[in-house]
Amino acid sequence: AQSVTQPDIHITVSEGASLELRCNYSYGATPYLFWYVQSPGQGLQLLLKYFSGDTLVQGIKGFEAEFKRSQSSFNLRKPSVHWSDAAEYFCAVGEGTGANNLFFGTGTRLTVIP
Amino acid sequence: GAGVSQSPSNKVTEKGKDVELRCDPISGHTALYWYRQSLGQGLEFLIYFQGNSAPDKSGLPSDRFSAERTGGSVSTLTIQRTQQEDSAVYLCASSLAAGGGYTFGSGTRLTVV
Repeated sequence: AQSVTQPDIHITVSEGASLELRCNYSYGATPYLFWYVQSPGQGLQLLLKYFSGDTLVQGIKGFEAEFKRSQSSFNLRKPSVHWSDAAEYFCAVGEGTGANNLFFGTGTRLTVIP
Repeated sequence: GAGVSQSPSNKVTEKGKDVELRCDPISGHTALYWYRQSLGQGLEFLIYFQGNSAPDKSGLPSDRFSAERTGGSVSTLTIQRTQQEDSAVYLCASSLAAGGGYTFGSGTRLTVV
């Protein structure tokens, strides 16, 4: 069965510092992988997704993620964090075509300090 | 519409009452999903609709929960005889094709008192 682990519940970084949010998945075949961001009181917004091809994917707001099959990971990165990046970040895995639903991690809350 | 619309945005109900939550997906999106987000938890899959196929109800937590999708568009999630543990944010999402990236609505925050 698919599952997603986000080992960091809460991360605090200084504005301008680099960021890496960890995501590990469990899935037998090639997964479809997603990162979503949820600002307070808002729905989830898609940051980026990986289906196939280049394992380094670029997303919106300056985020990128790298798919590493050997480590079953899909970590999210940003070279320089802005105060507006403070939010909850969710990693998700899906089956791809014919998929019924996505499986989400429990999320990582990002706090940005001045 | 331009995005996924959910109503109401907030709902407070008394324990034991029934509630209906509405989701208007993006026009043309064939797949529609309901998720539940409890405080401090990830997203819990509830139900999935794809076109005219029978819905995948495998995530519904009890028979008090049901959902329908009329005309392949608007969906209603109904919770009967609400309990305090039903308090959560209920999120709806739609996508062009199953497995694609979702577009989420802003959710309905349900509070059962």
